Amino acid sequence: NAGVTQTPKFQVLKTGQSMTLQCAQDMNHEYMSWYRQDPGMGLRLIHYSVGAGITDQGEVPNGYNVSRSTTEDFPLRLLSAAPSQTSVYFCAVSRQDYYEQYFGPGTRLTVT
Amino acid sequence: LAKTTQPISMDSYEGQEVNITCSHNNIATNDYITWYQQFPSQGPRFIIQGYKTKVTNEVASLFIPADRKSSTLSLPRVSLSDTAVYYCLVGDSSASKIIFGSGTRLSIRP
Repeated sequence: NAGVTQTPKFQVLKTGQSMTLQCAQDMNHEYMSWYRQDPGMGLRLIHYSVGAGITDQGEVPNGYNVSRSTTEDFPLRLLSAAPSQTSVYFCAVSRQDYYEQYFGPGTRLTVT
Repeated sequence: LAKTTQPISMDSYEGQEVNITCSHNNIATNDYITWYQQFPSQGPRFIIQGYKTKVTNEVASLFIPADRKSSTLSLPRVSLSDTAVYYCLVGDSSASKIIFGSGTRLSIRP
């Protein structure tokens, strides 16, 4: 039972490149969210999903796309990477309560 | 969403009890109070959640006064491994856009 997994663990991109951060869960939880955390800061919500086929924007959605075709997976796409997107990205899942979330180990992204 | 205020940092020593207070003056009737712990290079970890009075689990206690305008996370007999950032969150369990804020950076010394 892996819980919440994220790949890759580390990634370096050049400005303008695109990529997809993967998030997968085997907890069968409906709610999934993506956060970013800049150094010394709290987490900010990018996008979230309450179930397969349903997604919505969080606090900082610009520059990111998501889709949710299955319960298990919730990929985050960076359309055209910018240095301002250098951050640690966390995926989180929860049953039906956003306040009891389980977080993945994170992906550390650097955009040069 | 109710705004929360908590100290930026706190220091303590091993074996002491640590209390971190969070202010949430605009808490709504349906809001719960939730605390998370985050170690360096890891995702946050749910610690405890409560609505009123006192909640206790194997990790911490949460004290909530009758007016619910503040709450206190209590960590008994801390160790070096309790050094982390602690976040106080307030909101309705159905709220989709929860706000983590900057948290309280707790440092435990030998």
